[in-house]
Amino acid sequence: NAGVTQTPKFRILKIGQSMTLQCTQDMNHNYMYWYRQDPGMGLKLIYYSVGAGITDKGEVPNGYNVSRSTTEDFPLRLELAAPSQTSVYFCASQIRNRNRDREQPQHFGDGTRLSIL
Amino acid sequence: QQQVKQSPQSLIVQKGGIPIINCAYENTAFDYFPWYQQFPGKGPALLIAIRPDVSEKKEGRFTISFNKSAKQFSLHIMDSQPGDSATYFCAASPPSGTYKYIFGTGTRLKVLA
Repeated sequence: NAGVTQTPKFRILKIGQSMTLQCTQDMNHNYMYWYRQDPGMGLKLIYYSVGAGITDKGEVPNGYNVSRSTTEDFPLRLELAAPSQTSVYFCASQIRNRNRDREQPQHFGDGTRLSIL
Repeated sequence: QQQVKQSPQSLIVQKGGIPIINCAYENTAFDYFPWYQQFPGKGPALLIAIRPDVSEKKEGRFTISFNKSAKQFSLHIMDSQPGDSATYFCAASPPSGTYKYIFGTGTRLKVLA
């Protein structure tokens, strides 16, 4: 059971380039999330998905796009990379049901470290 | 109102000490408060979580204290060990259908041997 897998682990981009950060989970979780982590700033939600075919913006969505064609995969797309997008990106997944008394935790991948120069 | 304020930013304790990390929130609608532990090069992992209907929860050496009236909660690590050296994040979840966590800014803990 691999959990949440993110690829690549590291990447350097030039300004204006585009790339896709991959995220896949094998736990059959319905909810998936993308966060960015900047030093001293905690985790900021970029986009999230409550199930295949459904996505919505988080706190900091500008400059990013997502899709959720399957339960397992939730890729994050950067179309025109900017230096402000230098960060560590984390994907997370969670099983959600209506019973919040038995809420399950968000499971995180090990991150993609992205530098834009 | 959506912020969670976490302090201190960093903390150094001797082995066996009891580091305490504090978080404060404004939104009284928050109803789930998890703590995550993150080691260098890894993603955060759930450590312990609490709901506002209890004032304290213990799991092993980790204890959450919750003060609903003050809108504050804290993490205590008993008999701290060098292996506890990590970054700790508190979070809060509003009672909405999407369960979007609001994370604190993190506390970097170092436990000296």
